[in-house]
Amino acid sequence: DGGITQSPKYLFRKEGQNVTLSCEQNLNHDAMYWYRQDPGQGLRLIYYSQIVNDFQKGDIAEGYSVSREKKESFPLTVTSAQKNPTAFYLCASSIRVSGQPQHFGDGTRLSIL
Amino acid sequence: GQQVMQIPQYQHVQEGEDFTTYCNSSTTLSNIQWYKQRPGGHPVFLIQLVKSGEVKKQKRLTFQFGEAKKNSSLHITATQTTDVGTYFCAGGNYQLIWGAGTKLIIKP
Repeated sequence: DGGITQSPKYLFRKEGQNVTLSCEQNLNHDAMYWYRQDPGQGLRLIYYSQIVNDFQKGDIAEGYSVSREKKESFPLTVTSAQKNPTAFYLCASSIRVSGQPQHFGDGTRLSIL
Repeated sequence: GQQVMQIPQYQHVQEGEDFTTYCNSSTTLSNIQWYKQRPGGHPVFLIQLVKSGEVKKQKRLTFQFGEAKKNSSLHITATQTTDVGTYFCAGGNYQLIWGAGTKLIIKP
């Protein structure tokens, strides 16, 4: 079954700590995305990647970093510079960036300890 | 920059009543997509519209794309408890720009 796997489902961060959220897809999609969703709010784009070894900042990239070393994987690091990291983080992929439906993982809920 | 406005933010309906959510863009869109997010879940793609004036139906759901390709609507006829969730529109010419969503709440 093809799909997107995000892990962990729940994550707790201590002050001053960096944490990494995993996202893996086996859909053979070129494009991948990270979104942040706050309670009762819409989706805000953090970073996206059109192809391996390439990624672009979205609307709220400050305090986050990504890498795209493999087509299947697009991990997101929430750094200590992100002062309000508590949110629901969603990873998505699509065949390409332009005009294609996005497929989402189940998400990771990040909280501050 | 490009924006997609979605209204209303919430809609409370009795089961069996209709529901409609509207999206408006500041610029012409090459396509518009609709997604549903159940409580605690992730957005799931419902449909994509690409042509001016396009209307598509999925059972009780009717999706429309405006003639100017700047607005769109989703109408649900005779809502059921399974329709509960937040409906998002997303459109754009390259990157998707997301609306804020409309939450469908069924009154007890």
